[in-house]
Amino acid sequence: EVQLVESGGDLVQPGGSLRLSCAASGFTFSSYNMNWVRQAPGKGLEWLSYITSSGSTRYYADSVKGRFTISRDNDKNSLCLQMNSLRAEDTAMYYCARGDLWFGELFWGRGTLVTVSS
Amino acid sequence: DVVMTQSPLSLPVTLGQAASISCRSSQSLVYSDGNTYLNWFQQRPGQSPRRLIYKVSNRDSGVPERFSGSGSGTDFTLKITRVEAEDVGVYYCMQATHWPLTFGGGTKVEIK
Repeated sequence: EVQLVESGGDLVQPGGSLRLSCAASGFTFSSYNMNWVRQAPGKGLEWLSYITSSGSTRYYADSVKGRFTISRDNDKNSLCLQMNSLRAEDTAMYYCARGDLWFGELFWGRGTLVTVSS
Repeated sequence: DVVMTQSPLSLPVTLGQAASISCRSSQSLVYSDGNTYLNWFQQRPGQSPRRLIYKVSNRDSGVPERFSGSGSGTDFTLKITRVEAEDVGVYYCMQATHWPLTFGGGTKVEIK
């Protein structure tokens, strides 16, 4: 069974850092491109970042570029999102998604909640 | 960045009636390979998103035939021919022609 389980969400102060993880199982993780997408409370979806299966190519939304870093460990079947200089507007549910959002089989995790507040 | 504008924001629909959601992009979504990477997602209450339509009009596996997508260039439409109770949720268009990827603001479909 394909599973994506996000973790690492927490309450953090503005300016702080947090590292999210997405544990993958039930499929060959190293064969898939991956994404992070977030959703602020009561708001819409926002794509954040994309990484290719090898990790060689990464893209970011303007809102997080320079603050967030996507990475993956294909040996540990894990996707990560390092989030620095957090702001109140980064408060959201963070989802990881397997595959390309525009084509092919797509699978989502259930999300992990990040709250940025003093 | 490409701005995706959806309308309406809210769409009350009678069960069994049709529904239509519009999505406009701030620039053409035709990619250099000739494809148009416009997608539609559904998010039911309390659930993770789910893609319904990719490349304008292609239904994902398991998506009921009552969902259809159409459009070209900068104007796109998602139609539900006969709305069922399970269709309640928020629908988002998303473009993947240009980086960064961008979503529309969402359209909330509810039953009258």
